[in-house]
Amino acid sequence: NAGVTQTPKFQVLKTGQSMTLQCAQDMNHNSMYWYRQDPGMGLRLIYYSASEGTTDKGEVPNGYNVSRLNKREFSLRLESAAPSQTSVYFCASSEAGTSGSFSYEQYFGPGTRLTVT
Amino acid sequence: QQQVKQSPQSLIVQKGGISIINCAYENTAFDYFPWYQQFPGKGPALLIAIRPDVSEKKEGRFTISFNKSAKQFSLHIMDSQPGDSATYFCAASTTGTASKLTFGTGTRLQVTL
Repeated sequence: NAGVTQTPKFQVLKTGQSMTLQCAQDMNHNSMYWYRQDPGMGLRLIYYSASEGTTDKGEVPNGYNVSRLNKREFSLRLESAAPSQTSVYFCASSEAGTSGSFSYEQYFGPGTRLTVT
Repeated sequence: QQQVKQSPQSLIVQKGGISIINCAYENTAFDYFPWYQQFPGKGPALLIAIRPDVSEKKEGRFTISFNKSAKQFSLHIMDSQPGDSATYFCAASTTGTASKLTFGTGTRLQVTL
């Protein structure tokens, strides 16, 4: 099992450019999440998806959109990148919300380091 | 609004010593308190977690102490080893659908020889 995979690993964008960060999990998890990690601020939730076909805003959703393409895949899109979006982005997945499951552990991908100039 | 406050920001401990990291939360609806460990260039990984029905949970050298009335919880690493050098994040969430985690700001632990 690959767990949670993210592409790309690194990306440099110019202000105003757009891009999509891809995430996939092979653990049949219902819930998926996007976080950003900035120095001194921990991880902050951008968007999450409790199940296929649903998405909800997290703590810092402005400037981002998401798509839960199917149960495996959850993408994050930056429509017009800004320097303030320079960060490391992590995707995670969890069994949370799965019938009969009492596990709330989130499994994280390796991250995408994004720089916006 | 920071709902989970973590301290210290950084910590240096000698090999064999005890590392202690503290967190405090505000939302009394939180009922799941995990600690995540992150090595440089990697994603966070679950280290240990506790629910509020117990005051302590131990797994090997790692122990969570939980004080529900004070709304505080802490991670103790006994016999700290150089391989424990990493960034540690506390977190909290409600349980149920999606279970969104609110993270602390992290503690960078360095264990010296």
